[in-house]
Amino acid sequence: QKEVEQNSGPLSVPEGAIASLNCTYSDRVSQSFFWYRQYSGKSPELIMSIYSNGDKEDGRFTAQLNKASQYVSLLIRDSQPSDSATYLCAVTLSPPGNDMRFGAGTRLTVKP
Amino acid sequence: GAGVSQSPSNKVTEKGKDVELRCDPISGHTALYWYRQSLGQGLEFLIYFQGNSAPDKSGLPSDRFSAERTGGSVSTLTIQRTQQEDSAVYLCASSSGQGANQPQHFGDGTRLSIL
Repeated sequence: QKEVEQNSGPLSVPEGAIASLNCTYSDRVSQSFFWYRQYSGKSPELIMSIYSNGDKEDGRFTAQLNKASQYVSLLIRDSQPSDSATYLCAVTLSPPGNDMRFGAGTRLTVKP
Repeated sequence: GAGVSQSPSNKVTEKGKDVELRCDPISGHTALYWYRQSLGQGLEFLIYFQGNSAPDKSGLPSDRFSAERTGGSVSTLTIQRTQQEDSAVYLCASSSGQGANQPQHFGDGTRLSIL
């Protein structure tokens, strides 16, 4: 089992719709979870972090974490064509390493 | 600069040659990571440095790959006897402090092409 799994997509949504991106992880004691956005040919950039169960909202983005189910998701409301990118889920492994593993990413296309 | 700096930005070399890729992390960041990303693929973890601790080398794909971090700052990833399958973008990231809640900040990467 991969440490972090994402649906590779592509996921296509119309402009203005809600895009839902999902991620599952295998390390039961992982503490920190991140969503990165990567435009084609560019490096990943951090868009959201979440550490506690529940929802965390930042503008049009909402991260949802359920540690019991080992599941983290990202919702993008009012999707825009500029949101078209690959979204990477990242999970920090349990100690002692505290290092991070990334999912393969979900490619999102928002159609005007 | 304020961000993670990687050099060179592009490297083209012949199969069998050795290459060195450099990463300057954000000042004060104690954690440094190397990843490899092939075209259209996700990030493949290579190696992780945290302060003065022994690095986590579990992601290095073969003994042709090695990395050093001198003085807790600059890191060099070395690939010996390069093969065509080594062609990829090599990304470096750093994060502050020790602990599980620190996000990573990425450099622009080195695009490596093996002829």
